[in-house]
Amino acid sequence: EAGVVQSPRYKIIEKKQPVAFWCNPISGHNTLYWYLQNLGQGPELLIRYENEEAVDDSQLPKDRFSAERLKGVDSTLKIQPAELGDSAVYLCASSPSVLAGGQDTQYFGPGTRLTVL
Amino acid sequence: AQSVTQLDSQVPVFEEAPVELRCNYSSSVSVYLFWYVQYPNQGLQLLLKYLSGSTLVKGINGFEAEFNKSQTSFHLRKPSVHISDTAEYFCAVSDTGGFKTIFGAGTRLFVKA
Repeated sequence: EAGVVQSPRYKIIEKKQPVAFWCNPISGHNTLYWYLQNLGQGPELLIRYENEEAVDDSQLPKDRFSAERLKGVDSTLKIQPAELGDSAVYLCASSPSVLAGGQDTQYFGPGTRLTVL
Repeated sequence: AQSVTQLDSQVPVFEEAPVELRCNYSSSVSVYLFWYVQYPNQGLQLLLKYLSGSTLVKGINGFEAEFNKSQTSFHLRKPSVHISDTAEYFCAVSDTGGFKTIFGAGTRLFVKA
């Protein structure tokens, strides 16, 4: 079974430039999460999707961050414009649906390491 | 709201020695508890989880953890570590709906030969 796929793995950009990250969850997983992981810290939730609906985006800085999951499968997270403080690892995770009863375990992708210069 | 405190930021230990990584949580509701491991340049991988039932939970790679409700703790243990166990370990708590998971800051386990 293929795991959660993320691309790119690494991205270096100048501040004020836009950047986008892509995630393809495990097949059949309805729930998708985007996390931010700063150096030496645990992941912090940015947004959670149930299918194509964003059900928790309370921690997403909406002035510069946006996300979409148009067909309820893969997802894109965008930052525009990027700031120096956005340098971090962006993790995507997925889990089975609530109805399937497996929503407690999250499966993580390898992450995208963003460096803003 | 839930919170998680991992009491040690780094734990150095010699190979084949036992290890305990400590985790305390706070919550006003019933919770699920998790330990995840992160190897360098990889995503997090589930080691074990407590949902209900027996308070002693066994996971992969010989790890186990014990849920102690009175002390609000969920410490991770392994009786004999290997060099390959060197990684970052994250304790996490979620509500029993599993919708919002809060992660601790992590404990770096460094196994020395």
